[in-house]
Amino acid sequence: QKEVEQDPGPLSVPEGAIVSLNCTYSNSAFQYFMWYRQYSRKGPELLMYTYSSGNKEDGRFTAQVDKSSKYISLFIRDSQPSDSATYLCAMSAGTGRRALTFGSGTRLQVQP
Amino acid sequence: GAGVSQSPSNKVTEKGKDVELRCDPISGHTALYWYRQSLGQGLEFLIYFQGNSAPDKSGLPSDRFSAERTGGSVSTLTIQRTQQEDSAVYLCASSRTGTNTDTQYFGPGTRLTVL
Repeated sequence: QKEVEQDPGPLSVPEGAIVSLNCTYSNSAFQYFMWYRQYSRKGPELLMYTYSSGNKEDGRFTAQVDKSSKYISLFIRDSQPSDSATYLCAMSAGTGRRALTFGSGTRLQVQP
Repeated sequence: GAGVSQSPSNKVTEKGKDVELRCDPISGHTALYWYRQSLGQGLEFLIYFQGNSAPDKSGLPSDRFSAERTGGSVSTLTIQRTQQEDSAVYLCASSRTGTNTDTQYFGPGTRLTVL
């Protein structure tokens, strides 16, 4: 079983919809949680970063972390066609190892 | 200035040949990472550099894979005797200091195809 599980999609929504993306993980040592967005043939770019449990909001994006359930979410409000991309969750334990552990990514398509 | 750059952007090689992939990190970033992304898979960590040393090589899949970093800047990932299962996108990332709170900035990747 992978340390981080993520539904690969594709997820297709109409423009303006609220999108919910999520990941589950098994390693209770993870403390740092990130969401990256990756457009086709490009490298991932950091969207949101959260430390430990709680919510964080940035514009149309909200990240939630529930460490007790080992579950993280990314919500996108008023989705736009330009949000069409693959969304990758990533996490790290914060002690020693610097590498990120990624989910496999969810492909999102926002239909105009 | 510029972001992380990688070359070549695409590489097609024959099974058994050696390949070298290059990464130019953001100027001044001391930490550098290599990841591999296979079709439909998330990113898989390969190796981490802090300066010129590699304190974490735990992700290298076999001894055919090696990497070096010189002058605290450019890094080269070498794959010897390539196999078809090595086909993937190889991504390089850099961060300012390498702490867990530092953002990792990714390059566009090198798409490797082994025939």
